[in-house]
Amino acid sequence: EAQVTQNPRYLITVTGKKLTVTCSQNMNHEYMSWYRQDPGLGLRQIYYSMNVEVTDKGDVPEGYKVSRKEKRNFPLILESPSPNQTSLYFCASRMDRVSTEAFFGQGTRLTVV
Amino acid sequence: AQKITQTQPGMFVQEKEAVTLDCTYDTSDQSYGLFWYKQPSSGEMIFLIYQGSYDEQNATEGRYSLNFQKARKSANLVISASQLGDSAMYFCAMRGGNIPGGNQFYFGTGTSLTVIP
Repeated sequence: EAQVTQNPRYLITVTGKKLTVTCSQNMNHEYMSWYRQDPGLGLRQIYYSMNVEVTDKGDVPEGYKVSRKEKRNFPLILESPSPNQTSLYFCASRMDRVSTEAFFGQGTRLTVV
Repeated sequence: AQKITQTQPGMFVQEKEAVTLDCTYDTSDQSYGLFWYKQPSSGEMIFLIYQGSYDEQNATEGRYSLNFQKARKSANLVISASQLGDSAMYFCAMRGGNIPGGNQFYFGTGTSLTVIP
């Protein structure tokens, strides 16, 4: 089954404790992205990757890091989480730049206290 | 700058009626793509429909159709014969056409649709 898998689904952490949210896709997609969803703001792109070792900032990259060492994986790293990073996070992938569909993971609800 | 505007925070529709969810966009790209996604209360994002900027026909997928008016920069979603399962948040999104813009998706703030029995 074609899918994007995020882990964990739910996470509560404390300010300053480094964490990683994993994302994996099994469709051999080139493009992967991370979004955060906040009430009244929709989804905003954090980072995206066009292929292995190629990443770029989206609209809200501050406080986040990513890496793309393998095509299937695109982890999101919060080196020092803060309460304003409490949000619902989505990973997504699509085949290429002009694909007509993006596949989303199930979402990760992060709370930073 | 890329921008997607959804002006309807919430909508109600009677079961079996049609409903239109509004979306306008702002872009200077010649080539771009427009999308609609559904997010039920369970949280997942479900792709509904896609319209390319050069597509002459309005996109349709089952009960979903996209009313694309390029000159007005609007891409409204029409859901025909609403069902209770259509109750969800709906997001309009745009993919830019020019690199690096072609790598970014821009989402609206969403419209919450409630279908009334």
